[in-house]
Parts: sequence; structure tokens; C-alpha cells
Amino acid sequence: GENVEQHPSTLSVQEGDSAVIKCTYSDSASNYFPWYKQELGKRPQLIIDIRSNVGEKKDQRIAVTLNKTAKHFSLHITETQPEDSAVYFCASIWYSGGGADGLTFGKGTHLIIQP
Amino acid sequence: KAGVTQTPRYLIKTRGQQVTLSCSPISGHRSVSWYQQTPGQGLQFLFEYFSETQRNKGNFPGRFSGRQFSNSRSEMNVSTLELGDSALYLCASRYGDEQFFGPGTRLTVL
Repeated sequence: GENVEQHPSTLSVQEGDSAVIKCTYSDSASNYFPWYKQELGKRPQLIIDIRSNVGEKKDQRIAVTLNKTAKHFSLHITETQPEDSAVYFCASIWYSGGGADGLTFGKGTHLIIQP
Repeated sequence: KAGVTQTPRYLIKTRGQQVTLSCSPISGHRSVSWYQQTPGQGLQFLFEYFSETQRNKGNFPGRFSGRQFSNSRSEMNVSTLELGDSALYLCASRYGDEQFFGPGTRLTVL
């Protein structure tokens, strides 16, 4: 099955600096890669996603890049703010027979924004 | 549109009991996936239902089961609870590839 590795597990950055979280996946057939943000005690929220037909996608201070050859994708947050503090999960879609599919998640990165 | 709802939000059970959790997806979404979230294992896929049929199942024992009704609402059941079943159980409403999570049910097994 699909395996998703996420690094680092904890990331501490100064407010205003950039943060980068990296993920690798194993299934070359994967073509959808979402990122979720989970604040303490809350549900995971989809913040951005990318499909395999593009190499980069941006949404304000958040961007995601994808390298299909190397099977890795990254989340970039610029000008970090205190409200960016949360756990971030990457995920990759996997496919099984009969058209069924699902998401495999990385273990998560705890992003801490230092004032 | 209303978001994904889950009931109950919190549950305390003892070992050996069984539990049923409920999930109502976003209106118009026909697919519901269930995940178990624990500090050690992260988010793990349990199963997915689409149009009342289980379409996929993760690597969990048969004590974990689910079903989906004609209105797309889904339930999951865990029988013979073990201490290790303590976790946050999340359901996700799916439309295409995008999945939107509910607030979860925090299950504590004593």
C-alpha cells in the first residue's frame, strides 16, 4: 500500500520567517496531494491541495510544490503568524482495484511560531 | 451548506463494551470515510462507504464495522472495546477527491 513519510515532526520558526514541511510518497500512481491543518482540539482542515498535472500551487502565504519524479511534495508558509501554529498533515491518494481509493496521511508536523 | 457533524462528541466506555458513532456528511456528498487518530499512529484509515456500500477497508480488526444509510449518514461500531481503542474517531465527507472532516468523537476506554 501507499506509504507517506513527513518531516520534520516538529518545526519551530520565528514569527515572520518561512516554514517548509516535506513529504515523500511511494505509489507512483498517486495524483492528488492535500494538506491539512489541525489546531489543538479541532478537526483537520483542508488548506491546499495539488494534483499531479501541476508543479506548484499558491494561495496567499501558502504554497505547495510537487516533484513527481522524486515522489515528494512540500508545503511552504511565508511570513508566518501566530495563528499558523498547528499540526500539519500531508496526504496522498492511493488506488485499489475496482475504482476504490483513499488517503494515506503522514504522521504530522507540529509547527510552532515563536513570537 | 452545513458541515460534517458527528455524534456524540465525547464517549467514555469500559473494556468489553461496544459503541456506535454517527456521522452526517455534507448535503449532497455520498461518500463517508472513517479515520482513527491517536498520538502514536496518527490518522489511520478505517473504511469508506459510498451509496450504502463499503468501498474500502483499512487494516483494522473485524471488531470495527460500519454502515451507511440511504440518506448518506454513516455509523461505525466497535465491539468488545479494548484500552487501545481510545482515540479520536473522525469521519470525512467526500466530494471528488476532496475530503472534509467532522469534529470527531473522542472515545475513552477505561
